[in-house]
Amino acid sequence: DSGVTQTPKHLITATGQRVTLRCSPRSGDLSVYWYQQSLDQGLQFLIQYYNGEERAKGNILERFSAQQFPDLHSELNLSSLELGDSALYFCASSVDGPTYNEQFFGPGTRLTVL
Amino acid sequence: AQSVTQLGSHVSVSEGALVLLRCNYSSSVPPYLFWYVQYPNQGLQLLLKYTSAATLVKGINGFEAEFKKSETSFHLTKPSAHMSDAAEYFCAVSPFTGNQFYFGTGTSLTVIP
Repeated sequence: DSGVTQTPKHLITATGQRVTLRCSPRSGDLSVYWYQQSLDQGLQFLIQYYNGEERAKGNILERFSAQQFPDLHSELNLSSLELGDSALYFCASSVDGPTYNEQFFGPGTRLTVL
Repeated sequence: AQSVTQLGSHVSVSEGALVLLRCNYSSSVPPYLFWYVQYPNQGLQLLLKYTSAATLVKGINGFEAEFKKSETSFHLTKPSAHMSDAAEYFCAVSPFTGNQFYFGTGTSLTVIP
């Protein structure tokens, strides 16, 4: 158990809909990262938040957005869903300090868009 | 720019045989390097990490990796494969500054009894 929690575990929805994925980082970790894992694209970095502020952006679509709240949990919002958005979405967290820190991954949310 | 190349998307070894999973990185500065393992229907778990200390890094479950700057490689090895090692393995690189990870495309390891 990494200490990172993600809800829900599974999500099934229809095209055009909007969903919210939630992530709670490990206690004490200030950074949260979101990744998308699909069969054709592999593991892709979407976005990073540090202590409530966006720090780095990867291959995140404009239809997707994220935020990190004062209690450090994070939400990833996916809108106007398409079939191709079906994937595993992982959240990771790290302490983040002057030296490099590893990322701890949650169990993921499996999104199926029908 | 950072990038990682994992040679071989699928590797099969016999139980008890040597496991060698290859990872080459591209980085303008000496990076931090990681190997993660993903078991079916689970998240990623850190196997080991290189952070500019010893070049031979030992990880969990008997795995180790050697950082070779001249070859820009960070190959993962295990002397004797076990059935429980069957999983997807990801190599990742991170620059000295910032925490953004760049993952390789993964190598699926099959262990044949």
